[in-house]
Amino acid sequence: DQQVKQNSPSLSVQEGRISILNCDYTNSMFDYFLWYKKYPAEGPTFLISISSIKDKNEDGRFTVFLNKSAKHLSLHIVPSQPGDSAVYFCAATRMNTGFQKLVFGTGTRLLVSP
Amino acid sequence: DTAVSQTPKYLVTQMGNDKSIKCEQNLGHDTMYWYKQDSKKFLKIMFSYNNKELIINETVPNRFSPKSPDKAHLNLHINSLELGDSAVYFCASSQPGLIQETQYFGPGTRLLVL
Repeated sequence: DQQVKQNSPSLSVQEGRISILNCDYTNSMFDYFLWYKKYPAEGPTFLISISSIKDKNEDGRFTVFLNKSAKHLSLHIVPSQPGDSAVYFCAATRMNTGFQKLVFGTGTRLLVSP
Repeated sequence: DTAVSQTPKYLVTQMGNDKSIKCEQNLGHDTMYWYKQDSKKFLKIMFSYNNKELIINETVPNRFSPKSPDKAHLNLHINSLELGDSAVYFCASSQPGLIQETQYFGPGTRLLVL
């Protein structure tokens, strides 16, 4: 039962263009969402997050949008750079439970070509 | 300075053996986690400890036993290794109670059971 889904296993974008990575979730109890970036042979690193009380959060070139009614979130990277090439994981959790149990999607591999 | 470190980085062993993976964090966090990333790249939580106390145990076989000698360390011992245990195991830590709690991951331990 996969509660967080990333249906695109890969995405190729040219440098300077926008990258849009998508994520869907099924559990309506999730109220906090995160994006992690992973390079080969390294652990995931936190990128950006959003609480369910917001519909947008921006940090530099990275913006996350949340559509609660559709149970969908997306990560926009503008402009994309070759160094952004990595696997991006979407994760979801419930806040205020005393501990953070992250449920991850299977990741989307982003390739940004020069 | 590595925030979350794991040893060993690679582990190749025979079925039926017992092995341990060590994790240490120098971030002063109270909570530590073990995740398993299987061949389908699905990253799933296994255990979580808060101040040496087990708080999450996700229906993991009894052959897996986490041990937390202090809040900076969370080791994973696996008895009677099986082929299906082959995966990448990630340790992570976080500081609960923060508005934007973030988990920091180690580089992973690649376990191959032959």
